[in-house]
Amino acid sequence: DGGITQSPKYLFRKEGQNVTLSCEQNLNHDAMYWYRQDPGQGLRLIYYSQIVNDFQKGDIAEGYSVSREKKESFPLTVTSAQKNPTAFYLCASSDAGNEQFFGPGTRLTVL
Amino acid sequence: QKEVEQNSGPLSVPEGAIASLNCTYSDRGSQSFFWYRQYSGKSPELIMSIYSNGDKEDGRFTAQLNKASQYVSLLIRDSQPSDSATYLCAVKGTNAGKSTFGDGTTLTVKP
Repeated sequence: DGGITQSPKYLFRKEGQNVTLSCEQNLNHDAMYWYRQDPGQGLRLIYYSQIVNDFQKGDIAEGYSVSREKKESFPLTVTSAQKNPTAFYLCASSDAGNEQFFGPGTRLTVL
Repeated sequence: QKEVEQNSGPLSVPEGAIASLNCTYSDRGSQSFFWYRQYSGKSPELIMSIYSNGDKEDGRFTAQLNKASQYVSLLIRDSQPSDSATYLCAVKGTNAGKSTFGDGTTLTVKP
């Protein structure tokens, strides 16, 4: 089955800890995206990548980092510099920047 | 002014009625427009895309685009309780690599 997978589904972070969220797609899409969603809010773009080994900052990149070493993978690291990381994180992919298809999301909670 | 604005909700309609969801955007050069549905606690799923002025129908859903007025809408005919969700409008602007999402409108269809 083609699709996007994210892991883990739930993640708990202690203060001062870096954590990495996984995103994999087998849709052969060139573009991948990371969004953050807070309760009752819309999607805010963290980072996006249109091609392997290249990525751009979105609207709220501070405290986050990404890599795009393979076409199918776009992991997101939430660093200790992100002071309020508790949120729902969504990964998406698209073909040529058109319709985006989303993974199931990861809920991150800071303890 | 936000890049993409949606009519503030929540919106409540009785079962069988027409639900009308509206979205305006600021980038006059935008070419692609999308509607996503997001159930509570889940990730967004694409329901409609529209690229040219006019109407596009898919089952009970109709997307309407007016580029001169920078306005896109989604009509849901014969609304069902299962349509109760948050609807997100997304616009792909002149920066072809990404789309901007509105904050969403929450629709409740009452039996």
